[in-house]
Amino acid sequence: GIQVEQSPPDLILQEGANSTLRCNFSDSVNNLQWFHQNPWGQLINLFYIPSGTKQNGRLSATTVATERYSLLYISSSQTTDSGVYFCAGPPSGTYKYIFGTGTRLKVLA
Amino acid sequence: NAGVTQTPKFQVLKTGQSMTLQCAQDMNHNSMYWYRQDPGMGLRLIYYSASEGTTDKGEVPNGYNVSRLNKREFSLRLESAAPSQTSVYFCASSPSPGLGNSGNQPQHFGDGTRLSIL
Repeated sequence: GIQVEQSPPDLILQEGANSTLRCNFSDSVNNLQWFHQNPWGQLINLFYIPSGTKQNGRLSATTVATERYSLLYISSSQTTDSGVYFCAGPPSGTYKYIFGTGTRLKVLA
Repeated sequence: NAGVTQTPKFQVLKTGQSMTLQCAQDMNHNSMYWYRQDPGMGLRLIYYSASEGTTDKGEVPNGYNVSRLNKREFSLRLESAAPSQTSVYFCASSPSPGLGNSGNQPQHFGDGTRLSIL
């Protein structure tokens, strides 16, 4: 089946730093999404980004579907950005969403 | 605006007991999903319902059954709970059953049900 790799697995930043998280898919996916799971376990939808680039405040995401990867950029990080970031998407032609194992981010004050 | 509501939030069961997890969404979404998340891992799809009246197996369906009661509600049943089913269960919904990249169809998640089986 399709494999989803996220890197880095863990990341520690000082408040105000920038970071890039990467998501690689072993095969084509549709409807790629990025999620943030906060320390209380809630999953928040950050971006729905099958292709191209989107920005929302300090966050932006880029998906290059032809090369099967997506990037999530966090600028001027804040302590509230801490948590786990997941990418997910279903293989083309299916609804069976596959999640990556996540990047665990800790932002220090 | 409630979004996706899951009940209960916490539950402890004994091995062999049965239980149904409830999920309801008020966004008029067509598709609904059940996932489990084990400690330190990503989510794995158990079952999904692309549209009202249909259900299909996901990655880890064994030991579970589902019912799409109506467009709003999608329940997950454990007939005979086992310790390996201890997990956090998430329900999600999305607007459209479309398979392609057409339209805006992000998934929206409930807050989860923490289930422990002794």
